[in-house]
Amino acid sequence: KNEVEQSPQNLTAQEGEFITINCSYSVGISALHWLQQHPGGGIVSLFMLSSGKKKHGRLIATINIQEKHSSLHITASHPRDSAVYICAAHFGNEKLTFGTGTRLTIIP
Amino acid sequence: EAQVTQNPRYLITVTGKKLTVTCSQNMNHEYMSWYRQDPGLGLRQIYYSMNVEVTDKGDVPEGYKVSRKEKRNFPLILESPSPNQTSLYFCASSSPAGRTEAFFGQGTRLTVV
Repeated sequence: KNEVEQSPQNLTAQEGEFITINCSYSVGISALHWLQQHPGGGIVSLFMLSSGKKKHGRLIATINIQEKHSSLHITASHPRDSAVYICAAHFGNEKLTFGTGTRLTIIP
Repeated sequence: EAQVTQNPRYLITVTGKKLTVTCSQNMNHEYMSWYRQDPGLGLRQIYYSMNVEVTDKGDVPEGYKVSRKEKRNFPLILESPSPNQTSLYFCASSSPAGRTEAFFGQGTRLTVV
């Protein structure tokens, strides 16, 4: 069964802390997305990964295909990073399966 | 500006009254998809389309229809809405599936009474 699991479900941290959100999946995938959803509800794509590592500003995403695991890191976290972060995987058949999300709160 | 546009943003309707939520993208993307988001269940895929006239079921297709007559448009049709279809709906596109980042519409909050 195609499954995507995220951890933690909720994360509260102080401004400036290094943040890690984890995503694991059950079987081989063709690609994995990291998404950000702000309280207003809109969804923004942060990264699409099929291997290795990508970096945009303070955000870094990595994927380990052998271990079926991906991580999203935020360096020097800021209150504006507070959002729900969602990973989603393409299990090769073009369908997309989502994790349940990680609610991140950064306290000033 | 590259975007995916959904309409309407908010909709309250009654059980059984057919409705259509429109989705349009201006990026010439092949792949388009519909999702619903419910508290505690997260995002789930309803239908997707790999290209014009090619559609396929996602994980929760029951009660929904879609069509892809043009590359830019991918409407979601609820022929006979029921209260359990009350949800937040998102349309997204990418080119092609899993090869590029996805662009999401603003969301449509549907309430069926």
